Order: sequence, then C-alpha cells, then structure tokens
Amino acid sequence: SQTIHQWPATLVQPVGSPLSLECTVEGTSNPNLYWYRQAAGRGLQLLFYSVGIGQISSEVPQNLSASRPQDRQFILSSKKLLLSDSGFYLCAWSWGGQETQYFGPGTRLLVL
Amino acid sequence: AQSVTQLGSHVSVSEGALVLLRCNYSSSVPPYLFWYVQYPNQGLQLLLKYTTGATLVKGINGFEAEFKKSETSFHLTKPSAHMSDAAEYFCAVRSGYSTLTFGKGTMLLVSP
Repeated sequence: SQTIHQWPATLVQPVGSPLSLECTVEGTSNPNLYWYRQAAGRGLQLLFYSVGIGQISSEVPQNLSASRPQDRQFILSSKKLLLSDSGFYLCAWSWGGQETQYFGPGTRLLVL
Repeated sequence: AQSVTQLGSHVSVSEGALVLLRCNYSSSVPPYLFWYVQYPNQGLQLLLKYTTGATLVKGINGFEAEFKKSETSFHLTKPSAHMSDAAEYFCAVRSGYSTLTFGKGTMLLVSP
C-alpha cells in the first residue's frame, strides 16, 4: 500500500528565515506530487505540482519554490519567510494521469 | 476555468438528522467531482468521487452524493448524522491535467 509522509508536523519560524518542508511517498513509483496551502476560511490553494523528477509547475507566484530531487520526494522551500506564509501545508500524490489525490498529514507553519 | 462553490461555511445538525452539504461547480470539460473530509489538524481523506457512469455515488462512512448535470451540482448527503461526522468537508472538481480545484469548505457541526 501507499503512504505519504510530511515533516515536520509543526514549525515556528521568524520572519525572514528560510524554510524547507519535505514530503515523501512510499509504495508507488513516478507519482504526481502536489503542494497546497490551507489558510483559515480560504480552502486549499494549489501552490506547485510535479509530474516527474525536476518537473515543477507553479500555480501561484510568490516567494516559495518547490523541487523534486528524487522520484518520490517533494520539497517546499523559501529563502525568506513572510508573515503571510503562515498556514497549513499539505502534500498530496496521485497516480500519473489520474485525478484522485491522496493527502499527507500536513505541516502547520507559524511565521512570527 | 473550473470553479467550485460550497454554500454555507458552517452547517449545524443534530445527531440522527439528515446531513446535506451543497456543492455547485463550473467546468468547461466533463466534470470529475470529489468530496474530501478533513478532521482537525489532519490531511484530507477521500469520501467519494464521480467520474463517469452512475450519477449517485456512494462513499465511505455512509455518505453519498448525486451528480446533477442540469443543476451543475454535486451535493453530499447522509441520512443520519453521527457525532464522529463533525469535520470540514471539501468539494473539488477536475481543473486540468491531474489537478483539482477545491471549494472553500463547509464545517459540519453535530450536536447531541
């Protein structure tokens, strides 16, 4: 069976500090991978998705970036965090060419 | 462009009462529709989905949804609410190659 992991679970960072959130998937190969941000009352905002190693599509221009250094690893980064980057970050995966997405447990980020 | 509207950010029901969560969509392609549930501080879990075929779709935990093309709706129902159903529910529509557009969510509150 497939499992998806995210870490850390919770993170408190000062404004201007860097960020690295990691997501890994087990039990499948060549998945599509997704990063979402969830802010209170605003639903889920798709930030990035990837259909393969080194292939990243950005949905929303911002100070975040994503990378996929390995087939089942997806990393969300920032060089300098803003207060507005606070939120709940969710990673998801799907089979290639399929729409059904499966979500990880999420990372709660608080920028102070 | 695809979009999803969930009517009511909060819905309150009594235990044992009918649950009805509303979702209307806009799609320029044949819609694939999804309902996800999110418990506090957790990721999203797939409840059910409609792709093609039977318009009444049954999911986990006794939930079901009916695709009505003429009304562009995909409302979620459950005949009898349990306390454990209290959570946030998200409707989503296929929006591109393996991507989804989510509604803003509806928080279901269940009182004893």
